[in-house]
Amino acid sequence: KNEVEQSPQNLTAQEGEFITINCSYSVGISALHWLQQHPGGGIVSLFMLSSGKKKHGRLIATINIQEKHSSLHITASHPRDSAVYICAVRAGATNKLIFGTGTLLAVQP
Amino acid sequence: EAGVTQSPTHLIKTRGQQATLRCSPISGHTSVYWYQQALGLGLQFLLWYDEGEERNRGNFPPRFSGRQFPNYSSELNVNALELEDSALYLCASSLGPHLEYSNQPQHFGDGTRLSIL
Repeated sequence: KNEVEQSPQNLTAQEGEFITINCSYSVGISALHWLQQHPGGGIVSLFMLSSGKKKHGRLIATINIQEKHSSLHITASHPRDSAVYICAVRAGATNKLIFGTGTLLAVQP
Repeated sequence: EAGVTQSPTHLIKTRGQQATLRCSPISGHTSVYWYQQALGLGLQFLLWYDEGEERNRGNFPPRFSGRQFPNYSSELNVNALELEDSALYLCASSLGPHLEYSNQPQHFGDGTRLSIL
């Protein structure tokens, strides 16, 4: 079993839909990252959080430390949101990231 | 502010050769991280350097090595290349690992795509 699990693995949505991607982890963490990877490989860090909730534009990330679970929400989805979304946890004091396998999101117009 | 830069963008090698990948962190960042993204395997942590020293290492053979220079740029070297080394290699940087920087995110470069023929 992977230390970081994401669901769903693939997600197709219609433009304007509300999208949720989930991440569960089984290790102690100091922080959780949500990353976005577009075709070609470039990775953008969307959020880093260790508690509560963060919002940036149409993106919202939440984390529940007790339940070892985080969600990434996209409101009013748009085709340009199509990408792979990756959850990564920073394990304790090591500073290394452990990655989920990613969620491939396709938003259709 | 310039982001994390990696070179080359693409690298083609044959089995048994050696590859060198380079990374320049964001100005002011002292920590550099290397990750491998092989097809179907997701991102895997490779190496972490800070202040010129290797701080942590992922589950990779000794063929994978690197170093960090006084200007905090870094090289990843892969010796005796094997077909399964074909992957996207990503570099990230952050402010140092010290406690006061523990909430700083990692910033990623665009990667070097290494293809082994």
